[in-house]
Amino acid sequence: NAGVTQTPKFRVLKTGQSMTLLCAQDMNHEYMYWYRQDPGMGLRLIHYSVGEGTTAKGEVPDGYNVSRLKKQNFLLGLESAAPSQTSVYFCASRIASTDTQYFGPGTRLTVL
Amino acid sequence: DQQVKQNSPSLSVQEGRISILNCDYTNSMFDYFLWYKKYPAEGPTFLISISSIKDKNEDGRFTVFLNKSAKHLSLHIVPSQPGDSAVYFCAASARRSSGSARQLTFGSGTQLTVLP
Repeated sequence: NAGVTQTPKFRVLKTGQSMTLLCAQDMNHEYMYWYRQDPGMGLRLIHYSVGEGTTAKGEVPDGYNVSRLKKQNFLLGLESAAPSQTSVYFCASRIASTDTQYFGPGTRLTVL
Repeated sequence: DQQVKQNSPSLSVQEGRISILNCDYTNSMFDYFLWYKKYPAEGPTFLISISSIKDKNEDGRFTVFLNKSAKHLSLHIVPSQPGDSAVYFCAASARRSSGSARQLTFGSGTQLTVLP
């Protein structure tokens, strides 16, 4: 099992550009999450999904959109990137019966 | 308002000694607590957890203690090894209002350095 994978690993954008981050999991997990990690701030929840076709807002959802068209994939979109979105983005997933989330390796995004 | 706090950004210990990482929380609804370990350029990996109905959970060299009255938990690593050098995050989960899934709230992390 590959677990949770994220694509791409690194990306540099210019202000105003758009992009999509892909998260894939092969563990048949129902729940999937997107976090951002900034220095000294831990991980903050952007959006999450409790199942295929459903999404919900987390703590810091502004400027991001998500979609979960397939159970194994969770996409995070930035429609118009801003320098404040420079961060490391982590995807995570879990089964419904436990709180333990399993994380991907992260995507380092720089917005110039 | 930080509901989960790790007040020590860094900690250094000698190899073979005990490492104690601390975490405080403010939300009395938290009922499940986890510790994650993170190496540079990798995602966090689950280390150990504890339910609020317990006050201790042990897994090999790692023990988590929970003091509900003080809203405090700690992670003990004995003996510490150089490979334990990483950032450690504590996280907490709570029952939420109906229609909202359980989520993790993370602390800001503590960088542990184990010196050989």
